[in-house]
Amino acid sequence: QKEVEQNSGPLSVPEGAIASLNCTYSDRGSQSFFWYRQYSGKSPELIMSIYSNGDKEDGRFTAQLNKASQYVSLLIRDSQPSDSATYLCAVKVRGNTPLVFGKGTRLSVIA
Amino acid sequence: GAVVSQHPSWVICKSGTSVKIECRSLDFQATTMFWYRQFPKQSLMLMATSNEGSKATYEQGVEKDKFLINHASLTLSTLTVTSAHPEDSSFYICSARSTASSYEQYFGPGTRLTVT
Repeated sequence: QKEVEQNSGPLSVPEGAIASLNCTYSDRGSQSFFWYRQYSGKSPELIMSIYSNGDKEDGRFTAQLNKASQYVSLLIRDSQPSDSATYLCAVKVRGNTPLVFGKGTRLSVIA
Repeated sequence: GAVVSQHPSWVICKSGTSVKIECRSLDFQATTMFWYRQFPKQSLMLMATSNEGSKATYEQGVEKDKFLINHASLTLSTLTVTSAHPEDSSFYICSARSTASSYEQYFGPGTRLTVT
């Protein structure tokens, strides 16, 4: 069964702190992993993609992938109130299949 | 790059009428487009997957005769909600997958449908 699980939150962090968002997936055949940000009332926006084990950094964002543990995470450094949103983890299992989305983690950055 | 547009951004229609929503990939070709629906404070729900030039694949529980999907070109897909009812009121979002990227999916801005 293809599942992607995230803690629904809310996760509250003070401004300037590191926010850590976690995601686990059940299908070992999963190949590609994505993080989306969704502001309330808006559509999801792709912020990170990661395909191989290890870390991938882009500005204040770092995605981490551990395929052995079936775990992917997103770190947001120097969190800002504008980072307050729901973060969706998405996984592509194989081929041209739809992404499987987690239910999202709501992040609140407190000024 | 990777911009997806949707039109209209919001629409109000009367019960029993039909509404067409357009989804376009503006700067890339998308062999595959996806249609999602999202109710307030709920998760994205995949409705259907459409491949250019072929029939859409609908998720379980989604009525294909009610939600007509056409993907006539590599840059355009349309969703028509036929005989709309108030329970169809929702946020409809399309997503396009680039043939050139590693299966990254880009979302349109969404269409808010209200059926009165």
